[in-house]
Amino acid sequence: EVQLLESGGGLVQPGGSLRLSCAASGFTFRSNAMSWVRQPPGKGLEWVSYITTSGDTYYADSVKGRFTISRDTSKNTLYLQMNSLRADDTAVYYCTKDGSGWPFDSWGQGTLVTVSS
Amino acid sequence: QSVLTQPPSASGTPGQRVTISCSGSSSSIGTNTVNWYQQLPGTAPKLLIYSTTQRPSGVPDRFSASKSGTSASLAISGLQSEDEADYFCASWDDSLNAWVFGGGTKLTVL
Repeated sequence: EVQLLESGGGLVQPGGSLRLSCAASGFTFRSNAMSWVRQPPGKGLEWVSYITTSGDTYYADSVKGRFTISRDTSKNTLYLQMNSLRADDTAVYYCTKDGSGWPFDSWGQGTLVTVSS
Repeated sequence: QSVLTQPPSASGTPGQRVTISCSGSSSSIGTNTVNWYQQLPGTAPKLLIYSTTQRPSGVPDRFSASKSGTSASLAISGLQSEDEADYFCASWDDSLNAWVFGGGTKLTVL
């Protein structure tokens, strides 16, 4: 069974940094592209970032230059380094696994990031 | 403002058939496949439809989807109370070089 377990969320001041982690199990982590998707409280879904099996990375314009996605295949863990955080980054952040040609086919339970002074 | 456009709400009575639309552009739905996600209250989203028309194992065949031009739709037949949820469409956008979502449709079973 695929399991994605996010951690690292919390309260941070504007301009601060946070690193999210996603521990993956139940599938061959190195063989699947992975993404982060976020959902502000009471709102819809927004794709944040994507990393391919070969390490190529893609970002939404709203986070480009501030967030960095990475993966450690030896630890089966996905990361999201978030710098220069703003109030509008407040959201539940979901770790997702891609399928064979389609996105987000498995989701973690999410971790809440709150940016506030 | 979401790149893909969905109606904010939809409703139906048990047993009815309901459809939810998702409108995009030539660089998104017009060129790429569409995926649908179901988010039950208080839970993480779940993949409902992939590659425009395919159901993952475990998803009832009451759920179906299609695409025409730059629009897609999700149909739910034999509506049940447990179908009450938020539904989101998603597609890759070649112009934005990004995955894009619809704003979501809240389905109410009356």
